[in-house]
Parts: sequence; structure tokens; C-alpha cells
Amino acid sequence: DVKVTQSSRYLVKRTGEKVFLECVQDMDHENMFWYRQDPGLGLRLIYFSYDVKMKEKGDIPEGYSVSREKKERFSLILESASTNQTSMYLCASRPSGTPTYEQYFGPGTRLTVT
Amino acid sequence: RKEVEQDPGPFNVPEGATVAFNCTYSNSASQSFFWYRQDCRKEPKLLMSVYSSGNEDGRFTAQLNRASQYISLLIRDSKLSDSATYLCVVNLAGNTPLVFGKGTRLSVIA
Repeated sequence: DVKVTQSSRYLVKRTGEKVFLECVQDMDHENMFWYRQDPGLGLRLIYFSYDVKMKEKGDIPEGYSVSREKKERFSLILESASTNQTSMYLCASRPSGTPTYEQYFGPGTRLTVT
Repeated sequence: RKEVEQDPGPFNVPEGATVAFNCTYSNSASQSFFWYRQDCRKEPKLLMSVYSSGNEDGRFTAQLNRASQYISLLIRDSKLSDSATYLCVVNLAGNTPLVFGKGTRLSVIA
């Protein structure tokens, strides 16, 4: 059974803090993704990674960075948190290759920046 | 032009009703298509893939029309537990990120 876990379900941080969101998957998937989801805006891709030490910008990378030092772990970093980064953050993983492969999501981290 | 468009709803239907959602996509080179389901405050999960010939899974039927670039999902005999947001998802090619629609909200009422 594929599992994607995220380090926290709820997080409250202050403006200007550095925030780390961790994601771990246990199925040896090559591809990993970070999204944020906001009411009315749907899922928006922040960054993704095809392999260890590789990263690609998604649609809204500004204010974020990522790290993938190990295949199973993909971290999202908010260098200096701002109130407009209050959101639900979802990590996902998917095998590479056939385009019909399912993508699996973690349970999400609801981040509030005050 | 948005890549994947869906009617946001909400669709409010009584139990036992049949309801259909449509979704259009802009890139004619898209290769694979899916419907994901997202319950309130939960993560999205795959409901079903959509194949060119159409496919059925119990009360759910998915259709793909490549010529018109739209995908549909039909739910028959709606249950209260079908209440969720349904996300239309398109994949351009194997390793490219999935493109998600914003979702259509369904409420099934007793």
C-alpha cells in the first residue's frame, strides 16, 4: 500500500520565520510534487522533482524552495513566511514512465502564517 | 485559456439521482485522463482513469471525446457518500506534471 506522509497536519508560524515542510513516500517513486490548495483556486503546483537532487519550478515557485537529497524525501522550504502563504500544502508522488500511473497524495499540512 | 476547465457547481442532487459532470481540456496532445475525488479536508484520491473507449466502474462511467476535447463522469444512483469534489485531471506525457481542474462540488441530499 503506497504511503505518502507529511511531517505535520497543522502548523502555525510567524511572518518572517523559515518553515520546513517534509514529505516522505515509501514506494520508490521517482517523481515528487508540492502543491498548495486554496478555495476557488484549486491545486497549484509549486515545485516538482524527477529524481534525487533534481528540481523543476511549477506554476507558483516564488517564495519557495525545495530539497531532494534522498529519493523518498522531498522538502518544501518557505525562506521567510508571509501571510499570503497561509494555505493547505499537499505533497504527492508518482512513478515515472507510463502516463497512466496513479499519483498519490499525502494528507496535507494546513499552514497558518500570522 | 485555462488548461482544464470544470463547472465548479455545487451540484445538489437527491439520493438515487443520476448526475453528470463535464470537463474540457485545451491541449490536444494530452495522453491520459483521470477523475480524482477529494473529500472535505482530505487529499485527492484517484477515482478512475478515463479510456478512449469509455469505461465503467460500478455506478461510475467515464467517457472521453478526443475530437471535442472533453471528458465526462456519470454517477448513477447517487449515494450520500458520493458527496465530494470531483477533479478532472489530464496528463500531457509520461513524466510531465498532471494538470488538475479546479473541481466540481457534488452534494447528495437525503
